[in-house]
Amino acid sequence: AQSVAQPEDQVNVAEGNPLTVKCTYSVSGNPYLFWYVQYPNRGLQFLLKYITGDNLVKGSYGFEAEFNKSQTSFHLKKPSALVSDSALYFCAVRVPTGRRALTFGSGTRLQVQP
Amino acid sequence: EAGVTQSPTHLIKTRGQQATLRCSPISGHTSVYWYQQALGLGLQFLLWYDEGEERNRGNFPPRFSGRQFPNYSSELNVNALELEDSALYLCASSLRGGTGTDTQYFGPGTRLTVL
Repeated sequence: AQSVAQPEDQVNVAEGNPLTVKCTYSVSGNPYLFWYVQYPNRGLQFLLKYITGDNLVKGSYGFEAEFNKSQTSFHLKKPSALVSDSALYFCAVRVPTGRRALTFGSGTRLQVQP
Repeated sequence: EAGVTQSPTHLIKTRGQQATLRCSPISGHTSVYWYQQALGLGLQFLLWYDEGEERNRGNFPPRFSGRQFPNYSSELNVNALELEDSALYLCASSLRGGTGTDTQYFGPGTRLTVL
C-alpha cells in the first residue's frame, strides 16, 4: 500500500521569505510524486511532478520540489513567498504499475502574511 | 484550450435520493478519474475510467457507480444518498499513457449536499 504524509496542517510565512511545505511518502518501488494547490471553492491545480531524473523539479508559479529517495521526501519550496500563494497544498504519490489513482496527503494550509 | 469541466456546480439532495454528476475531460484525454473530498477525510479515489471501461475503483460501496461515454465524458451516480456523502466531488482527466507518467488535471468540482 502507498501513503503520503504531510506533517504540518498549517505553515505560516511572511511575504518575501522562503517557504517549505513538507511531504514524505511510503511506496513499494519507485514513486511518481506530484504537488497540487487548491484555492477556496476551486479544484486542484497541478504544480509539478517528479517522475525520474534530476532530483530538483521546477514547476509553475516559481515553485520547486526536491526528491530525496533516502529520506523518502518530496518537499515543496519557493524562494520568496507571495500573499497570493496562500492556499491548500496537496502532495500525492502514484506507482508506475497497477492502479493509476493518486494517493493524496492530508493537505497543508499555507498562510502568507503581508 | 478548455480545461476539465464539471456540472452542476452545486447539488442539493435528500437522503435516499440519487445524484448524477457529470464531467467533460480535456480534449484528447481518454482517462477520467473521480475523487471525493469530504471534510475530515481528505481526498479519496473513487473510480477510474478509460476507453469507456471502468479500470479501477477505490474503497467505496457499490452505490457509487458511473460510466464513460464514447466522447470520453463521464458520469458519476450515487444511489441511496446518505448524509456522509456530502462532499466536493472532483473529476480529473489525463492522457492514457502506457508508463503511467501522465498528469491528472482536475475540474472545479461539484459540491454535493445531502440533507
